[in-house]
Amino acid sequence: DARVTQTPRHKVTEMGQEVTMRCQPILGHNTVFWYRQTMMQGLELLAYFRNRAPLDDSGMPKDRFSAEMPDATLATLKIQPSEPRDSAVYFCASGFTTGLAGGPRSSGANVLTFGAGSRLTVL
Amino acid sequence: AQSVTQLGSHVSVSEGALVLLRCNYSSSVPPYLFWYVQYPNQGLQLLLKYTTGATLVKGINGFEAEFKKSETSFHLTKPSAHMSDAAEYFCAVSEPFGNQFYFGTGTSLTVIP
Repeated sequence: DARVTQTPRHKVTEMGQEVTMRCQPILGHNTVFWYRQTMMQGLELLAYFRNRAPLDDSGMPKDRFSAEMPDATLATLKIQPSEPRDSAVYFCASGFTTGLAGGPRSSGANVLTFGAGSRLTVL
Repeated sequence: AQSVTQLGSHVSVSEGALVLLRCNYSSSVPPYLFWYVQYPNQGLQLLLKYTTGATLVKGINGFEAEFKKSETSFHLTKPSAHMSDAAEYFCAVSEPFGNQFYFGTGTSLTVIP
């Protein structure tokens, strides 16, 4: 089965350190999402890309978070400097979307596949 | 704008009993609808989806959901709960071929032996 691969699975770091999380989307998927999950806030959308272009990063704290897609096989989420409140599980998900409102309905499109997540603990 | 409401953040059922997890949505166009399941320390997995065609959709592990346009609902059911069904369940909606996916806040299902 095709899968979304995230690294690292677990990361413990100290406040102020830089953290980089990586995601390899499924081959052929053109859309990548970054989510953060915490007990208090649930699942939050941080950013997403289509065809490697950032479409929305309004969910990210701009001063410390950055997301990029250097190529179609790699998405990164970086936190610098990290803070204890960033402790969470970060999920990457990929899918295929065209962004064309009102397009034809299809049984095959628009399914998001999630990675296993990167659990970040900032001390 | 689209939104998803999951009624009940925690649901408990006895093993063998009916599972019913509720999901209502708001959307300006008929959406695509999804249920995802998350087991402890894992990512979200697709349980089932409605995109077109039959409004009653069957998913993995004996789950099914029915799209009711008039009620703007997509409730998830399973006739007989199993211990292994204990997990967090998320309802999600997107526009056909749209960019965005909107997730509900999740429902934690506990199965009592």
